[in-house]
Amino acid sequence: AQSVSQHNHHVILSEAASLELGCNYSYGGTVNLFWYVQYPGQHLQLLLKYFSGDPLVKGIKGFEAEFIKSKFSFNLRKPSVQWSDTAEYFCAVPNQGGKLIFGQGTELSVKP
Amino acid sequence: DAGITQSPRHKVTETGTPVTLRCHQTENHRYMYWYRQDPGHGLRLIHYSYGVKDTDKGEVSDGYSVSRSKTEDFLLTLESATSSQTSVYFCAISERGSPNTEAFFGQGTRLTVV
Repeated sequence: AQSVSQHNHHVILSEAASLELGCNYSYGGTVNLFWYVQYPGQHLQLLLKYFSGDPLVKGIKGFEAEFIKSKFSFNLRKPSVQWSDTAEYFCAVPNQGGKLIFGQGTELSVKP
Repeated sequence: DAGITQSPRHKVTETGTPVTLRCHQTENHRYMYWYRQDPGHGLRLIHYSYGVKDTDKGEVSDGYSVSRSKTEDFLLTLESATSSQTSVYFCAISERGSPNTEAFFGQGTRLTVV
């Protein structure tokens, strides 16, 4: 069965610091990948997605992620975080029927 | 935001009582899902539906049942609530339910079983 791992459970950064959150998936075939964000008290929103093509994917709010097939990774990056980026971030792999397999989540706290 | 409404938004219930959570969508999407969110586990799929009256189990379906009598409504029932079902429940919808289709999430229902 597919699985998704997020290694960083809680990351604390100061504003303007660079961010990289790790995501690894287990499946070796064709894969689609998502990053979702959940701001405090809110629902999950799609940050970016990879289906095929350019392995460097740009999302909303200055986020990007790089799909590296050889490493089974899809790490999320942002060059300079803001206080408003404080949220929980989830990596997910869709399965048949659109069912999502989520990683454990990474809580990001950005200090002003 | 996608038209997804979950009700209630918050509920406290006693152990052993039945509880029903409702998800209502106005997008006419075929696929609907119920997930639960727990610290350290991310979100896990409870049940999903691929059409009216068509439902199937997810990863953590024990103790839960679902029904979908109309395209727009997907009900999740805890038959006899237990403390381990204290969680935040999210409904999601997807137009095609294919691996390259985005899912949209509702605001969540925070359920506490005492």
